[in-house]
Amino acid sequence: DAKTTQPTSMDCAEGRAANLPCNHSTISGNEYVYWYRQIHSQGPQYIIHGLKNNETNEMASLIITEDRKSSTLILPHATLRDTAVYYCIVRVRGDGQNFVFGPGTRLSVLP
Amino acid sequence: EAGVVQSPRYKIIEKKQPVAFWCNPISGHNTLYWYLQNLGQGPELLIRYENEEAVDDSQLPKDRFSAERLKGVDSTLKIQPAELGDSAVYLCASSPTRAASEQFFGPGTRLTVL
Repeated sequence: DAKTTQPTSMDCAEGRAANLPCNHSTISGNEYVYWYRQIHSQGPQYIIHGLKNNETNEMASLIITEDRKSSTLILPHATLRDTAVYYCIVRVRGDGQNFVFGPGTRLSVLP
Repeated sequence: EAGVVQSPRYKIIEKKQPVAFWCNPISGHNTLYWYLQNLGQGPELLIRYENEEAVDDSQLPKDRFSAERLKGVDSTLKIQPAELGDSAVYLCASSPTRAASEQFFGPGTRLTVL
């Protein structure tokens, strides 16, 4: 079973920031938080991952709370092409543990 | 660089017929995964290969599903015979090693069993 809880769906206005929450209250000290997204009719695509520090790349920012029990993926300026299902996954990095995908959050970016 | 290639993209068959899916991972990627994705759900792992060895096939229904990865490159997933409940998207992914942070997914094969 997935170790994370995400809202089923969210809407965001085009050009605004999209903030996608994820709860992972049972996360272990050596588990990382990963985010993937899946655009319609495509396979999932890696976005970002982190352990405890906030992370940023060209796609998004990842904010992890100090107790690590929740995190937020931020798309700073959402576009229509960001409409997708977003998956939050916790996984031990480096030991080959499998990714366990939950149902994710369906983000709709509205014009 | 080419991504993960899967074929066919779509397949429609009648129940009890056999079906096969093919995957060509990214060059140099040792680890290959097959996932099943039902409508409205996230992908579920069926089998993972390290080179040509299947190292995790605990979720593969072995009575009707089989997979192979000859020479540690391309892989084939087969269902025989197919059942109505097998209708789903079958995704292939690869990564440089099993410890890699990022898996690269193909576009998937959408199977419809009538």
